[in-house]
Amino acid sequence: AQSVSQHNHHVILSEAASLELGCNYSYGGTVNLFWYVQYPGQHLQLLLKYFSGDPLVKGIKGFEAEFIKSKFSFNLRKPSVQWSDTAEYFCAVSIRSSASKIIFGSGTRLSIRP
Amino acid sequence: ETGVTQSPTHLIKTRGQQVTLRCSSQSGHNTVSWYQQALGQGPQFIFQYYREEENGRGNFPPRFSGLQFPNYSSELNVNALELDDSALYLCASSFQGSSYNEQFFGPGTRLTVL
Repeated sequence: AQSVSQHNHHVILSEAASLELGCNYSYGGTVNLFWYVQYPGQHLQLLLKYFSGDPLVKGIKGFEAEFIKSKFSFNLRKPSVQWSDTAEYFCAVSIRSSASKIIFGSGTRLSIRP
Repeated sequence: ETGVTQSPTHLIKTRGQQVTLRCSSQSGHNTVSWYQQALGQGPQFIFQYYREEENGRGNFPPRFSGLQFPNYSSELNVNALELDDSALYLCASSFQGSSYNEQFFGPGTRLTVL
């Protein structure tokens, strides 16, 4: 069965620190990849997505992610975090041939110290 | 363009009761997916509706059922509620026919079962 693993459950950083959140998925075929963010009290929002082409994807608010097919990874990065980046981050994958479910990881809670 | 809306925002029920949650899809979308997000976890796929029929189902028992209406809105029904059904229920809409499966999420309905 397909699955998504997020390595860090809770990450605590100071403002201006660099961020990298790990994500690995298990599926041998063609996938679409997503990072979603859930700010406190708000609904799930799409941060960025990868469908095809350049494996380095840029999203909103200065986030980017790199798809490394050989490692089944899609890590999220940001060079310099802000206090407003405090949120829960979810990596997700959908199978290209099946336009139904999105499989989510368990999430990483990011806390930024002002 | 109207986004995905869900009602009610919050709901409290007791064990054994039945509940109906509602979702209106984003304009131009014809597919609705439902997810359950338990506290501290990522969303789990319940099922998807397209052309008023179930189009994929996750690992949820038959007491979780749904409907889609001609205007593409949808309902999630849960019978014989259990304490573990307490969660945030998310609805997502998308356009079937795209291989990219980009789903747009609503704010969710928080269900508490006592």
